Amino acid sequence: AQSVTQLGSHVSVSEGALVLLRCNYSSSVPPYLFWYVQYPNQGLQLLLKYTSAATLVKGINGFEAEFKKSETSFHLTKPSAHMSDAAEYFCAVSVYRGGFKTIFGAGTRLFVKA
Amino acid sequence: DTAVSQTPKYLVTQMGNDKSIKCEQNLGHDTMYWYKQDSKKFLKIMFSYNNKELIINETVPNRFSPKSPDKAHLNLHINSLELGDSAVYFCASSQGLYRGPVDNEQFFGPGTRLTVL
Repeated sequence: AQSVTQLGSHVSVSEGALVLLRCNYSSSVPPYLFWYVQYPNQGLQLLLKYTSAATLVKGINGFEAEFKKSETSFHLTKPSAHMSDAAEYFCAVSVYRGGFKTIFGAGTRLFVKA
Repeated sequence: DTAVSQTPKYLVTQMGNDKSIKCEQNLGHDTMYWYKQDSKKFLKIMFSYNNKELIINETVPNRFSPKSPDKAHLNLHINSLELGDSAVYFCASSQGLYRGPVDNEQFFGPGTRLTVL
């Protein structure tokens, strides 16, 4: 069954440092992968999505993710963290079960230190 | 002009009561969902409706009854509330769950924080 696993429930970085949030997928067919962000007391919003058109996907707010089939990974990165990036990040995969359904990972909380 | 709206934002109630949460989307989407997010932020789908038709019911207790009067609205009624029902409930919509995996981007409402005492 298709699923995603996020490594690390909490990640802490200093402002200006590299952000790396890890996501691995399991799928026997080409996966359709997403990253969503949830700011405090808000709903989730889409950061970026992998459509198989390009392995490096650019999203909003300077985030990007690279699809690596050999590593079954779709890690999220940002070169320089801002305080405003502090949020919960969810990796997700779209699967077909009588209609397309989104399965979310457990989430990674990003802390940004001044 | 909020895309997906939910009311109320907060709901505090006693065990055993019945309560409803309302959701509306103005995106013209075909599919709407209810998700439950627990205290550890784990997000789980409860229901999905496509053009007012129930598509997914993820083994949710039958105390939870969704209703979709039209494709822009999906309400959630909960009977006999229990302590374990305390969570944040999110409504979401997508263009259509039959349109393709990438077109199934989810648009979330702001959430309803339900506290059962």
